This record gives sequence, C-alpha cells and structure tokens, in this order.
Amino acid sequence: NAGVTQTPKFQVLKTGQSMTLQCAQDMNHEYMSWYRQDPGMGLRLIHYSVGAGITDQGEVPNGYNVSRSTTEDFPLRLLSAAPSQTSVYFCASSFGTGSYGYTFGSGTRLTVV
Amino acid sequence: EDQVTQSPEALRLQEGESSSLNCSYTVSGLRGLFWYRQDPGKGPEFLFTLYSAGEEKEKERLKATLTKKESFLHITAPKPEDSATYLCAVQGGAQKLVFGQGTRLTINP
Repeated sequence: NAGVTQTPKFQVLKTGQSMTLQCAQDMNHEYMSWYRQDPGMGLRLIHYSVGAGITDQGEVPNGYNVSRSTTEDFPLRLLSAAPSQTSVYFCASSFGTGSYGYTFGSGTRLTVV
Repeated sequence: EDQVTQSPEALRLQEGESSSLNCSYTVSGLRGLFWYRQDPGKGPEFLFTLYSAGEEKEKERLKATLTKKESFLHITAPKPEDSATYLCAVQGGAQKLVFGQGTRLTINP
C-alpha cells in the first residue's frame, strides 16, 4: 500500500517553462488536494477535488491548473513558471470530508530560476 | 474567513520537560480541528481530529484538547524523537483545511 505518491521529488525550472507535478493515491480516496508550503506562510490550498471530474479552486490558484479524470490521479500543472512559484508542493487525499485525517505525499521541491 | 494562529513559533525543551502548544482559531461552522506532525523533508503526518469543545484525545506522550476558541497540544515528558514541527488546521463549512504556520519543537537530550 503506497499511500500518496508524488513525482518528481525535486525539480528546477526556468522562468516561463511549464511542467506537471504528478500525484497518485491507491486508497480509493474521493478527496484530493494540492498545497504549497513556504517559510512563514504555512500550508496554503491551491486546488482540490471531491471526486473524478470535479475540481475547485483553493486559496492560491493563480498560475496552476488541475484535472481529475480518475479517482487515483490528480496532476498539478504549472502553465508558465515564475520565481514566485518556488516552493514545496504537497498532495493530500482523504475519505469523504477528511474527518479521519488527510494522507499527505512526501512533497515536490520546486525551484524556478 | 477561517484563520488559525499557532504559538509559539519555536519551542526548545529539555528531555522530560512537559509543555503545551497553542492553536487559536476562528472558523465558520467548525467541522473539525486537526493536529499534524511534520518532520524535515517529509509531508505532514496525521495525529488527531477534534470535533467539539471539551473533547480530548491522546496518543503516547501527546494530548490534544479543544475549546470554542483554541486547542492545546500537551506534550508530557517529551523525548528527542518528539522533535518536529506541529501543525494545527481547521475545517469549516467548505471542504478545505486551513493551516496555521506551525510550532517547531526541539527536545534536547
């Protein structure tokens, strides 16, 4: 049982490049979400999904796109990378409303130069 | 707007020295208050969910309590392996978690 798997673990991009951060879970969780973690800012919600085909914006969605074609996968796309998107990105999933706790991946450390 | 404030930002204790971490919150319709532990370079690890004022939960040396305005994470006789950043989060009417900035706890042997 792998839980939540994020790839890659590290990535360096040049300003203006695009890329996709991958997130997959094998627990049949309905709810999946993406957070970014910056020093002094805590974890901030980017986008979330309550099930396949359903996505919604979180607190800081600008510059990011998501889609949810399957229950297992929830990729995060950076359309045109900017230095302000340098951060650590975490994917999380849960059953239902998350009252039993969210399971987080190990994170992707992204640097935009 | 849901908000979470944690204090202190950092806390350094000697092994065996008990203390408490604070999480103050404002939320519209609390559905749950969560505590997570985060080790360096890793994702947060779920510890507890509290649902209503007066509720308490325990796990090993950790005990979480909840009032209508704040939650405390009490750590009793801590060990060096308890060193980590502890995160508090609330879930309100929408299905979203709002996190505090965390308390970085260091336990010296």
